[in-house]
Amino acid sequence: GENVEQHPSTLSVQEGDSAVIKCTYSDSASNYFPWYKQELGKRPQLIIDIRSNVGEKKDQRIAVTLNKTAKHFSLHITETQPEDSAVYFCAAPDTGRRALTFGSGTRLQVQP
Amino acid sequence: AAGVIQSPRHLIKEKRETATLKCYPIPRHDTVYWYQQGPGQDPQFLISFYEKMQSDKGSIPDRFSAQQFSDYHSELNMSSLELGDSALYFCASSLSVTIYGYTFGSGTRLTVV
Repeated sequence: GENVEQHPSTLSVQEGDSAVIKCTYSDSASNYFPWYKQELGKRPQLIIDIRSNVGEKKDQRIAVTLNKTAKHFSLHITETQPEDSAVYFCAAPDTGRRALTFGSGTRLQVQP
Repeated sequence: AAGVIQSPRHLIKEKRETATLKCYPIPRHDTVYWYQQGPGQDPQFLISFYEKMQSDKGSIPDRFSAQQFSDYHSELNMSSLELGDSALYFCASSLSVTIYGYTFGSGTRLTVV
């Protein structure tokens, strides 16, 4: 099945700085890469996603880049704010199943 | 807009008991997915249903079963509960088994004591 690796596991930045979280995937046929934000005890919320026919997608302070050749994709958050503090998960389609395989998560802490 | 509804929000059970979790998909959605998230873990896919038939199966234990009903709501039945079953259980729904952009319900926190 699909294997998704995510780094780093924890990330601490100062308010206003940028944060970058990286993921790699194993199945070259994967074509959809969402990012979820999860606050403690709450549901994962989709914040941005990208399909394999584009290399970059941006939504205000959040952007995702995809390198299909290298099989990795990244989440970029600019001008971070304390409310960005949460666990972020990347995901990719599970091989052979119509479901998602998640990365292990990154705990982002934005220091005011 | 209506979202995915899960009940109950919290559930406490003793070991070896049974539990039933319910999921009501977004109106007109015909596909339901169940995920289990242990403490500090990423969500793990358990099972999905499309048009009341099992669609895909993930890491669902044999002690668990699930089904989707005629109104498209789904129930996850968990028997012989173990301490390790304590987790957040999330349900998501979509139209025609697409994984694009599907959103999760608020989850059920199951605690087995």
